[in-house]
Amino acid sequence: DGGITQSPKYLFRKEGQNVTLSCEQNLNHDAMYWYRQDPGQGLRLIYYSQIVNDFQKGDIAEGYSVSREKKESFPLTVTSAQKNPTAFYLCASSTRTGGIQPQHFGDGTRLSIL
Amino acid sequence: GQNIDQPTEMTATEGAIVQINCTYQTSGFNGLFWYQQHAGEAPTFLSYNVLDGLEEKGRFSSFLSRSKGYSYLLLKELQMKDSASYLCAVRSSSGTYKYIFGTGTRLKVLA
Repeated sequence: DGGITQSPKYLFRKEGQNVTLSCEQNLNHDAMYWYRQDPGQGLRLIYYSQIVNDFQKGDIAEGYSVSREKKESFPLTVTSAQKNPTAFYLCASSTRTGGIQPQHFGDGTRLSIL
Repeated sequence: GQNIDQPTEMTATEGAIVQINCTYQTSGFNGLFWYQQHAGEAPTFLSYNVLDGLEEKGRFSSFLSRSKGYSYLLLKELQMKDSASYLCAVRSSSGTYKYIFGTGTRLKVLA
């Protein structure tokens, strides 16, 4: 079955530490996205990528970094510069062909500070 | 600026009909999407509109008026499992595959 896999499901970060959240998709989608969701809030866009080796900042990119070396993978690094990283992180993908298509989401990673 | 507004919370009774509204102001429009999100889980796709009018999918329908920047999601024959957050999202333009989300409407279905 095609889908998006995020790992780990839960992650704990120590002060001053960088952590990387994994996102892999086998849907053959060109576009991939990272969102942050705080309790009771909607989704805020961190970074997105429309093709391999290219990505753009979203609304809250400060303290985060990404790479897109393969079509299937879009890892997100939460750096020590992100002072309030505790949140639910969602990865999504969508196609650029076949008309208007919705985004597909992974199951999310919940990040907390130790 | 880009903005999507939804009511924060709504309450309805099992078996009833509820309408969740969404108004938007975005630079470019290439589709409006509705997602359901249960607490602690990922959003799941419900419906989308590109052209004006009503789209029906079983118990769920979604309406769009592009001239008014307005959409609604209609849920019929409410069930307890419909208690969730409902997110409205707009895809900003055909050249940029960027989706802008509202803060979501938390729906409580009471017995």
